[in-house]
Amino acid sequence: AQSVAQPEDQVNVAEGNPLTVKCTYSVSGNPYLFWYVQYPNRGLQFLLKYITGDNLVKGSYGFEAEFNKSQTSFHLKKPSALVSDSALYFCAVRDGVYTDKLIFGTGTRLQVFP
Amino acid sequence: EAEVAQSPRYKITEKSQAVAFWCDPISGHATLYWYRQILGQGPELLVQFQDESVVDDSQLPKDRFSAERLKGVDSTLKIQPAELGDSAMYLCASSLVLAGTEQFFGPGTRLTVL
Repeated sequence: AQSVAQPEDQVNVAEGNPLTVKCTYSVSGNPYLFWYVQYPNRGLQFLLKYITGDNLVKGSYGFEAEFNKSQTSFHLKKPSALVSDSALYFCAVRDGVYTDKLIFGTGTRLQVFP
Repeated sequence: EAEVAQSPRYKITEKSQAVAFWCDPISGHATLYWYRQILGQGPELLVQFQDESVVDDSQLPKDRFSAERLKGVDSTLKIQPAELGDSAMYLCASSLVLAGTEQFFGPGTRLTVL
């Protein structure tokens, strides 16, 4: 079965510093990978996805993610964090070739302090 | 910008009562999903519709949960009777029919069962 793991429950970073939120995956076949962000009492907002092509994917709000096949990772990054980036971040993978069902990780809470 | 609409935003009920949640997807999105998100966890798919047909309801507790999308547009998720363990955020999402496209989430309905 497909799965993703987010090894950090929380990441703390100072405003202006680069941030990384980690995600590793386990799939059979080629992975379709996604990052979503969730603000308190809100639904999830799509940030970016990797389907194929360049390993560096650029998304919304200045975020990007690097797909690394050898390390089975899809880490979310941003060069300069903002306090407003503080939220819950979810990595997700499509559950197989013939489905659009997403399998989500447990989430990583990002805290950016001034 | 088009959004997924959900109502109500919050629902408090007593166990053994019936509850219903409504979702209106983005216009033109043929695929509709209902997810359940327990506090501190990632969303888990309950049911997926393609137009009016159920594609995946393998994780839907069918003894108490039901979902319908009669005209292939808006959808209703019902729980009867509600149990304490059903307290969670219920998220609706929609996407274009093409595989690999991102899902767009509504704001969710937070259910509290007393």
